[in-house]
Amino acid sequence: LAKTTQPISMDSYEGQEVNITCSHNNIATNDYITWYQQFPSQGPRFIIQGYKTKVTNEVASLFIPADRKSSTLSLPRVSLSDTAVYYCLVGSPEDGYSTLTFGKGTMLLVSP
Amino acid sequence: DVKVTQSSRYLVKRTGEKVFLECVQDMDHENMFWYRQDPGLGLRLIYFSYDVKMKEKGDIPEGYSVSREKKERFSLILESASTNQTSMYLCASSPAGTGGETEAFFGQGTRLTVV
Repeated sequence: LAKTTQPISMDSYEGQEVNITCSHNNIATNDYITWYQQFPSQGPRFIIQGYKTKVTNEVASLFIPADRKSSTLSLPRVSLSDTAVYYCLVGSPEDGYSTLTFGKGTMLLVSP
Repeated sequence: DVKVTQSSRYLVKRTGEKVFLECVQDMDHENMFWYRQDPGLGLRLIYFSYDVKMKEKGDIPEGYSVSREKKERFSLILESASTNQTSMYLCASSPAGTGGETEAFFGQGTRLTVV
């Protein structure tokens, strides 16, 4: 399974755009990149998933360069409620993501 | 809405007790997972199951076992609880891969304290 590396923590202020980058140098051809968000005392929640180029939904955007060795989660105009831990995962739908492997994630702290 | 329900939010058990943590999902998902989460260590996979009666060890299976007799239910068993098993336990489910995108859904977690 491809291993991911992301910053341990990031700080931001309300209204700013936040970009969290994840490295996955050994990503396989069939792997997708998925980001989850976790608030204290809750289970992780799916944010966004992509394979290449750019994916956007109502919550975030995911940018994936052509070599797919990294990806960037972009959160537009963050608010205090975006303070959470963000996890980057890679895995293949062909094995059903049968082993969802989470790293330690990035703790994002949004201040007023 | 997909729902993954864990039987308890908080549990306190004594050392040596046999502990059952139950997880039920209502979306007919093939895959189910058990994790534990400890400060500074992130989520660590204990066991997963990709079908009824099937199970695979994750990264930290020692001291745990699992049971999946029905598709919707995945149980985590601590055969003889120890204080180092005090943790937050999270259950998740996901559909089998079909060549497209998929996501996992998590329960709210069970905070287990072993005294």
